[in-house]
Amino acid sequence: AQTVTQSQPEMSVQEAETVTLSCTYDTSESDYYLFWYKQPPSRQMILVIRQEAYKQQNATENRFSVNFQKAAKSFSLKISDSQLGDAAMYFCACFGNEKLTFGTGTRLTIIP
Amino acid sequence: GAVVSQHPSRVICKSGTSVKIECRSLDFQATTMFWYRQFPKQSLMLMATSNEGSKATYEQGVEKDKFLINHASLTLSTLTVTSAHPEDSSFYICSARVDRTAYEQYFGPGTRLTVT
Repeated sequence: AQTVTQSQPEMSVQEAETVTLSCTYDTSESDYYLFWYKQPPSRQMILVIRQEAYKQQNATENRFSVNFQKAAKSFSLKISDSQLGDAAMYFCACFGNEKLTFGTGTRLTIIP
Repeated sequence: GAVVSQHPSRVICKSGTSVKIECRSLDFQATTMFWYRQFPKQSLMLMATSNEGSKATYEQGVEKDKFLINHASLTLSTLTVTSAHPEDSSFYICSARVDRTAYEQYFGPGTRLTVT
C-alpha cells in the first residue's frame, strides 16, 4: 500500500515571501514518481512540479522547487516570491504500481 | 496540449435515477483513464482505472455495479452512477494518461454531482 502524509492542513505566507509545504510518503515500489498539484477554487487540478524518484537532483520550475530526501521519504515544496495567485489547496501525490495516491492537502493562504 | 474535458460540469438528479459523466481526451489518445472522487475539503480518492477495450479495475470498497465505467474508445471514458442516492453526491474527477508507460496524468475539470 502507498501512503502520502501532509501534516500541515493550513499554511499562510506574506506576499513575496517564501513558504515550504511538507510531505512524507511511503511506498514499497522501487520505481515511483512524486508530484505536487495545485487545486484552486475552480477545482481543476494543476500540476506544479514532478520528481522522478530515480533522479537525485531536486526538481525546479520557476518559483517552485522541491527538497527530495529519498532515504527519509520526504518531498517538500518550496514556493519563492509568493504571489496572490498561489493561493490554493496543494496536494502531494505519489505514483507507483499504476496508482496515484494523494495526501490530504494543505490550504495555502497568501497575505497581501 | 494534453487537455481533458468532462461533461457535465454540474448535474443534479433525483434519488434513484442514474447519471452519466463523460471524460474525453481532446488532443491525445488515452489508453488509460482514472476516476477519482473528492468529498468536500478532502483529498482525491481513486475509484477505478479503466483501460481502453477492457473492464475497469475498481479500488477496494467501490461498488462496481453502482459505478459503471466504460472506456469504449481511446478518447472517451464514461462513469455512470446507477440508482444514485444523496450519499453519492460528490465531486468526480477523471484523468488520463497517454500510454501504459507514462506516469503523468492529465486531469479533467471535474463534475459536481448533487443527488436530491
